[in-house]
Amino acid sequence: AQSVTQLGSHVSVSEGALVLLRCNYSSSVPPYLFWYVQYPNQGLQLLLKYTTGATLVKGINGFEAEFKKSETSFHLTKPSAHMSDAAEYFCAVSDRNTDKLIFGTGTRLQVFP
Amino acid sequence: ETGVTQSPTHLIKTRGQQVTLRCSSQSGHNTVSWYQQALGQGPQFIFQYYREEENGRGNFPPRFSGLQFPNYSSELNVNALELDDSALYLCASSLEDRNNEQFFGPGTRLTVL
Repeated sequence: AQSVTQLGSHVSVSEGALVLLRCNYSSSVPPYLFWYVQYPNQGLQLLLKYTTGATLVKGINGFEAEFKKSETSFHLTKPSAHMSDAAEYFCAVSDRNTDKLIFGTGTRLQVFP
Repeated sequence: ETGVTQSPTHLIKTRGQQVTLRCSSQSGHNTVSWYQQALGQGPQFIFQYYREEENGRGNFPPRFSGLQFPNYSSELNVNALELDDSALYLCASSLEDRNNEQFFGPGTRLTVL
C-alpha cells in the first residue's frame, strides 16, 4: 500500500528565508510524486511533479523538489520565501497502476515579515 | 481553456438527507476523480470515472455514488448524510496517460447538521 508522511504540520519562516517542507513516501512500485498548494477557501494547485527521469524537479513560483529513492523522500524547497507563499502544502503519491492520489496530511506554511 | 468548476460552493444539509454535487471538467479531459477533504486533513480519494464508468474506488460506503456524463461533467451523490460527511468535496479532472496529473476545482463545502 502507498502512503505519505509529511513531517511538521506547521512551518514558520521569515520572508527571504529558505523554505523546506518534508515529505516521505512508501510505495512498493516506482512512484509518481506530487506537491500541491492550497490557498484558503480554494482547491489544490499543482506545484510540481516527478514521474521519471531527472530527480530534481522544478515547479512554479520558484519551488523545486528532489526525488531521493534511497531516502524515500521528496522534500519541497524554495530558496527565498515570499509572503504570498503562505498556504497549505500537500505531498501526494500515485503510480501508473492506479489512478488515485494518496495525500499527506498537509503542512501549513506561515511567512513572517 | 476552461478550468474545473464545481457547484454549489457551499451547502448545508441535515442528517439523513441526500445531496448532489456537480463538477465540470477542464476542456478535453475525459477522467474525473472525487476527493473528500475533512477539516485539517489531506484529501481522501472517493472514486474516479473514465468514459462514464467507475474506474477505481476508495474506502467509502456505497451511499457515495457518482455519474459521469457524455460531456465529461460529473456528479457526486451522497445518501443518508451523516455528521462526519461534513467536508470539502473536491473534483479533479485529467487526461488518460498523462501520468495522473490532476487539475482540481475549488471544491464544495458541505455542512451536515
